[in-house]
Amino acid sequence: KAGVTQTPRYLIKTRGQQVTLSCSPISGHRSVSWYQQTPGQGLQFLFEYFSETQRNKGNFPGRFSGRQFSNSRSEMNVSTLELGDSALYLCASSLAGGHDEQFFGPGTRLTVL
Amino acid sequence: AQRVTQPEKLLSVFKGAPVELKCNYSYSGSPELFWYVQYSRQRLQLLLRHISRESIKGFTADLNKGETSFHLKKPFAQEEDSAMYYCALRDSGGYQKVTFGTGTKLQVIP
Repeated sequence: KAGVTQTPRYLIKTRGQQVTLSCSPISGHRSVSWYQQTPGQGLQFLFEYFSETQRNKGNFPGRFSGRQFSNSRSEMNVSTLELGDSALYLCASSLAGGHDEQFFGPGTRLTVL
Repeated sequence: AQRVTQPEKLLSVFKGAPVELKCNYSYSGSPELFWYVQYSRQRLQLLLRHISRESIKGFTADLNKGETSFHLKKPFAQEEDSAMYYCALRDSGGYQKVTFGTGTKLQVIP
């Protein structure tokens, strides 16, 4: 069974631009969560999607948004990029959320110049 | 607000020595606690969760609600245990809003 995949793996953008990251969950998994990982703040929860609906949201500004498609694939978008958005963005999938185990993808490394 | 604290950024132990990675949490509800591990160049993966009360790769962790702690222990460290370890908390009511600690790097010296 293929694991969680994330594309692209690396991305370089400049301040003010916007970016879209993609996550394909494990087949059959319907819950997708996104996390931001930085050296200073560690892993921080961004949001969770289940059946195309955002079910949970972390404490990030509105520039961070996401969506989920009917096939459970998810995208997250960051608009008006700032230097502080440079981070590793991790996606995790689980069967239905709740008490199910999360499986993490390899991450997308975003660098904002 | 839920919070997870891992006081040590780096823990170095000799092979064969006992290991204890500390984790304290604050949460008003009834939490689920986890330990995740990330080996070099690998993905973050679940090591163990308190509700299963398992021992994985020789590691155990006991939830102490009185001290709000969930320390990870192993009696004899192995070189292959060298990795980043993250303690995490999730509301037991469900959903996947997980709060992670900042992580502890375990270095096992041969």
